[in-house]
Amino acid sequence: GAGVSQSPSNKVTEKGKDVELRCDPISGHTALYWYRQSLGQGLEFLIYFQGNSAPDKSGLPSDRFSAERTGGSVSTLTIQRTQQEDSAVYLCASSGTGVTGELFFGEGSRLTVL
Amino acid sequence: AQKITQTQPGMFVQEKEAVTLDCTYDTSDQSYGLFWYKQPSSGEMIFLIYQGSYDEQNATEGRYSLNFQKARKSANLVISASQLGDSAMYFCAMREGLGGFKTIFGAGTRLFVKA
Repeated sequence: GAGVSQSPSNKVTEKGKDVELRCDPISGHTALYWYRQSLGQGLEFLIYFQGNSAPDKSGLPSDRFSAERTGGSVSTLTIQRTQQEDSAVYLCASSGTGVTGELFFGEGSRLTVL
Repeated sequence: AQKITQTQPGMFVQEKEAVTLDCTYDTSDQSYGLFWYKQPSSGEMIFLIYQGSYDEQNATEGRYSLNFQKARKSANLVISASQLGDSAMYFCAMREGLGGFKTIFGAGTRLFVKA
């Protein structure tokens, strides 16, 4: 597709369940980011993939969070044993190799943990 | 470590007037990029403007300009002739290096444009 695609757009789960969020970046973009945005708040950096380099996982809040990027394209963010404080919008973005390198964002996956 | 600070949680501006949204940053790198994004109530993130650390001229994009003061490590966004549609959250962001490095965001400023 032409833009960054995220799925699901909305996810309601029960506390303790695992969830997977998917991101399909813009074709040809080498960099992929995951951010978390709580209601009315800023964007919290979670993880960053750049090409074949080891990902920068410095923003993952706990070992319940993990992400992978297969074949340098699609990425999956997994949250295990979800907690209510995990409720947020999870935004994925990708960027190309140009000097500017602005981020192109998906519409987000809204996660609600009951 | 990288850090972005936006000290204005909320700002009001009268329609057709100009407004400045503040952003300061901290980095030890000489090469970095600065960005502003807009997030309307719909939630989408819209890229507005970019300033590279080596750019000598302030960036401009239509009604948006970036007041870049490198020595003070500030990158304020100026919106001229405000419109009602400018009401949104505005985020300042920074990427260290010319490419291939992560981008971090400030806490944001919510702008309200009054008719």
